[in-house]
Amino acid sequence: DIQLTQSPSFLSASVGDRVTITCRASQGISSYLAWYQQKPGKAPKLLIYAASTLQSGVPSRFSGSGSGTEFTLTISSLQPEDFATYYCQQLNSYPNTFGQGTKLEIK
Amino acid sequence: EVQLVESGGGLVQPGGSLRLSCAASGFTFSSYEMNWVRQAPGKGLEWVSYISSSGSTIYYADSVKGRFTISRDNAKNSLYLQMNSLRAEDTAVYYCARGIGGWYFSWGQGTLVTVSS
Repeated sequence: DIQLTQSPSFLSASVGDRVTITCRASQGISSYLAWYQQKPGKAPKLLIYAASTLQSGVPSRFSGSGSGTEFTLTISSLQPEDFATYYCQQLNSYPNTFGQGTKLEIK
Repeated sequence: EVQLVESGGGLVQPGGSLRLSCAASGFTFSSYEMNWVRQAPGKGLEWVSYISSSGSTIYYADSVKGRFTISRDNAKNSLYLQMNSLRAEDTAVYYCARGIGGWYFSWGQGTLVTVSS
């Protein structure tokens, strides 16, 4: 199985900050990576797929990059509604594993 | 509007069984692959199972293989997860998710399964 490791696991930041979350795969997955945002008590929401394609309706301050084994999710200017937990997921092969999550908290 | 509504969760004793359903609307259900994903309380997301649009291709996570069965009824616009031999570690919110080209574009709100004596 392909393992995904996110870093950091916890991130404290302020409104307006630029933040980057990294997801590393245990083997190459080309661009078969998605990023989700999840708020407490809610289902995950797809933000980015194919490593860098922004899902319709997602604000442009979110961006994704990378291929192979290293990927990043960047939020260019944090807004209050962005404080949540973020997960990466690989869809290169089954099982479609998720990273352990990055909890983004308000500083 | 795409809607996925899970049901069937609840409290069950270890070793028991439960059948989850996911009712789909707002799209042509028979054209889309579907997945189950779960999340234990306070934990991360875990993919559980996949079924192709026709039902001909199915995958399971090792943690549920041999105990869970995914199925679908395209005439009823419904996805199912039959869960047998339940264990405490199966306690989680179970989500169904619609796949397009493999990507999980739409998710239901989830249904909670609690395995406890």
